[in-house]
Amino acid sequence: KQEVTQIPAALSVPEGENLVLNCSFTDSAIYNLQWFRQDPGKGLTSLLLIQSSQREQTSGRLNASLDKSSGRSTLYIAASQPGDSATYLCAVRPEGGGADGLTFGKGTHLIIQP
Amino acid sequence: DTAVSQTPKYLVTQMGNDKSIKCEQNLGHDTMYWYKQDSKKFLKIMFSYNNKELIINETVPNRFSPKSPDKAHLNLHINSLELGDSAVYFCASSHLWDRLNTEAFFGQGTRLTVV
Repeated sequence: KQEVTQIPAALSVPEGENLVLNCSFTDSAIYNLQWFRQDPGKGLTSLLLIQSSQREQTSGRLNASLDKSSGRSTLYIAASQPGDSATYLCAVRPEGGGADGLTFGKGTHLIIQP
Repeated sequence: DTAVSQTPKYLVTQMGNDKSIKCEQNLGHDTMYWYKQDSKKFLKIMFSYNNKELIINETVPNRFSPKSPDKAHLNLHINSLELGDSAVYFCASSHLWDRLNTEAFFGQGTRLTVV
């Protein structure tokens, strides 16, 4: 059974710092990996999707990498801003298909101090 | 335009009642899902529907029943509500198989409180 772990569980850094959020998964047979952000009391906003054949994806100040064989992904946030404060969730879709839905980690709660 | 929309956003009800949550997607996706986020904020799949057919049910009590009138809608009916059903329920959608576009999109969530 797939298990997704995110480290750290919480992170507080001053504005302007570059930071890395980590995600690991136990079963490397994944179809893709998706990073989301969740603001308090809100829904999930998709940030980046990495297909299993890809190594990384970039969107603005965000860069996500994937090492499928070792079961790891990182989300790099450059020049952090207070507006980046949120919970970041990593989720994997199994190789068998989307019918099984996504398996989520428990998230990293990020606070960017002004 | 909201890609995945669900109503209501908040739902407070008494134990034993029956309630429904509605979900609609305008993305042309062929698969829709219901997820539950518990008090510890952990998200877990409940159901998925592809082409109006239930594909998976992750040990969810049979008091929960998804109903899909068409590809764009997946409603969640809950009978005989219990205190433990209190959670945030998220609807989502995606393509089942598409090498180019399998991104999942989520609704804003429905916070269900059973009193």
